[in-house]
Amino acid sequence: DGGITQSPKYLFRKEGQNVTLSCEQNLNHDAMYWYRQDPGQGLRLIYYSQIVNDFQKGDIAEGYSVSREKKESFPLTVTSAQKNPTAFYLCASRQDTVSNQPQHFGDGTRLSIL
Amino acid sequence: GESVGLHLPTLSVQEGDNSIINCAYSNSASDYFIWYKQESGKGPQFIIDIRSNMDKRQGQRVTVLLNKTVKHLSLQIAATQPGDSAVYFCAGLSNFGNEKLTFGTGTRLTIIP
Repeated sequence: DGGITQSPKYLFRKEGQNVTLSCEQNLNHDAMYWYRQDPGQGLRLIYYSQIVNDFQKGDIAEGYSVSREKKESFPLTVTSAQKNPTAFYLCASRQDTVSNQPQHFGDGTRLSIL
Repeated sequence: GESVGLHLPTLSVQEGDNSIINCAYSNSASDYFIWYKQESGKGPQFIIDIRSNMDKRQGQRVTVLLNKTVKHLSLQIAATQPGDSAVYFCAGLSNFGNEKLTFGTGTRLTIIP
């Protein structure tokens, strides 16, 4: 069954701690994305990657970092520099970046502060 | 800046009736639009998309209408069912190949039994 898997579903962070959210896709998609969703707001783009070993900052990249060492994996690290990390984080992928195609989403990770 | 938004934050519809959810956008260069459905605690689920060279596109029980003159699109859901209860939001893409989808804030659709 092809899809996007995010883990864990719930994550708690202590003050000063870095945490990493996992995103894996078996759709053979080139492009992957990380979004943050807050109540009453639209999805905001954190980082995206069009191809392996390349990634670009989105609109709210400060306090976050990513890597794209494998096509199927795009982990997001929420660093201690992110002062308001409590949110619902969504990972998405898209087949490629040269045609109009929808992004497909995982079921998210909810991050909270202890 | 560019914006994509929805007209109403909430909408209640009787089961079996048709639902219409609206979305407005500001960038006339937007050429691709997507509707997503998001259930509580889950990620957005793709429903239907439409390109700017089309005015209408139909799927199973859903129809998307695009009016480029007034920069408006709508999602029509026929014969709504309890499982249609969710938040619906539109997303727009400007320029061919541009990475940045702009998302609206969503309309919460509640189906009344």
